[in-house]
Amino acid sequence: GEDVEQSLFLSVREGDSSVINCTYTDSSSTYLYWYKQEPGAGLQLLTYIFSNMDMKQDQRLTVLLNKKDKHLSLRIADTQTGDSAIYFCAEQGNTPLVFGKGTRLSVIA
Amino acid sequence: EAQVTQNPRYLITVTGKKLTVTCSQNMNHEYMSWYRQDPGLGLRQIYYSMNVEVTDKGDVPEGYKVSRKEKRNFPLILESPSPNQTSLYFCASSLQSQGNYGYTFGSGTRLTVV
Repeated sequence: GEDVEQSLFLSVREGDSSVINCTYTDSSSTYLYWYKQEPGAGLQLLTYIFSNMDMKQDQRLTVLLNKKDKHLSLRIADTQTGDSAIYFCAEQGNTPLVFGKGTRLSVIA
Repeated sequence: EAQVTQNPRYLITVTGKKLTVTCSQNMNHEYMSWYRQDPGLGLRQIYYSMNVEVTDKGDVPEGYKVSRKEKRNFPLILESPSPNQTSLYFCASSLQSQGNYGYTFGSGTRLTVV
């Protein structure tokens, strides 16, 4: 089946940029998503990118997509303690969403 | 407010005692799905439903049942819970299973089976 891979942990200092990476296998992916899960809560849609785009920027968030390498990244500029959470990459092709295992971002004050 | 509501939020039960976790959405979504979240394993899909009376197995359906008798509700049933079903469960819904509609998640149900 389709697979989405992410590193499990990332630690950054407050004010630095965070980059969370994701790779996927489904070459028919049409939409790629980033979800955020704060402690004790469900997942919330953070941003998404359509497969014919290379980049999408939304305030402090920048999503980069390398479709040839099937690589997606999420950059958070000026990372704050409130950004501490688990971030899930997800891809959608001809099947329902496939999620990665999530990257736990820890922000050190 | 558009939302997915799960109940209960927390549940402790004993092995073998049947239980139901309810899920309801108020957005007229066709697609609904159940996931379990375990440390190091991420989200694993249990069952999903494309529409009323249409349900399909996900990646880890063993030990679970679902029903979709009406559009808004998608209960998860554990006929005979076992300790390996101790987990955090999420219900999600979407307008459709494909296309850029995103998923809306419930707040989760933390189940402990002793």
